[in-house]
Amino acid sequence: SAVISQKPSRDICQRGTSLTIQCQVDSQVTMMFWYRQQPGQSLTLIATANQGSEATYESGFVIDKFPISRPNLTFSTLTVSNMSPEDSSIYLCSVDGLAGHYNEQFFGPGTRLTVL
Amino acid sequence: GENVEQHPSTLSVQEGDSAVIKCTYSDSASNYFPWYKQELGKGPQLIIDIRSNVGEKKDQRIAVTLNKTAKHFSLHITETQPEDSAVYFCAASRGSSYKLIFGSGTRLLVRP
Repeated sequence: SAVISQKPSRDICQRGTSLTIQCQVDSQVTMMFWYRQQPGQSLTLIATANQGSEATYESGFVIDKFPISRPNLTFSTLTVSNMSPEDSSIYLCSVDGLAGHYNEQFFGPGTRLTVL
Repeated sequence: GENVEQHPSTLSVQEGDSAVIKCTYSDSASNYFPWYKQELGKGPQLIIDIRSNVGEKKDQRIAVTLNKTAKHFSLHITETQPEDSAVYFCAASRGSSYKLIFGSGTRLLVRP
């Protein structure tokens, strides 16, 4: 079965620094998304990563804080910039169009970020 | 704005019993309703989904029902096993788009 991987799996960072999270899929997908899951909470969509163009951000999320890249159909990065303790969360990528499953989203394992 | 409400927030059942989790949605244009299971330290796993042209769908011990008129849908797990213990999230599409709005989650504990 197709695999979605994220790097790093977890990290502890100092406030004011930035962290880039990678999402890699082992086959081409149509859509890639980034979500945030705060401790013990539900999932909130940050943005849709568009291949070859700027990401589409949801209300409350901005490019300066969460720059996103998607250079091809299997890879995307999310950067959490100028971090504060409030950014401590699980960051998840999801994909649509995996292995012929269109209009269904599958999630990666997540990146657990702690900001001190 | 669009909203998905999920209840109960926690559910404890005896092994072998059934578990039911319910969700309501506000956007009458929503047409896709997936359910995810999230185990500790892992990403959400899609376990079943239903689209608005179907009223019920079943896959072995799990089933989902949809009532479009009342705008609610439910997850049913029969013959529960300890490995069913996890957090379950419902979601609804934002209108007919690919974007999902998630419920608040239900922590299911199956007691052996």
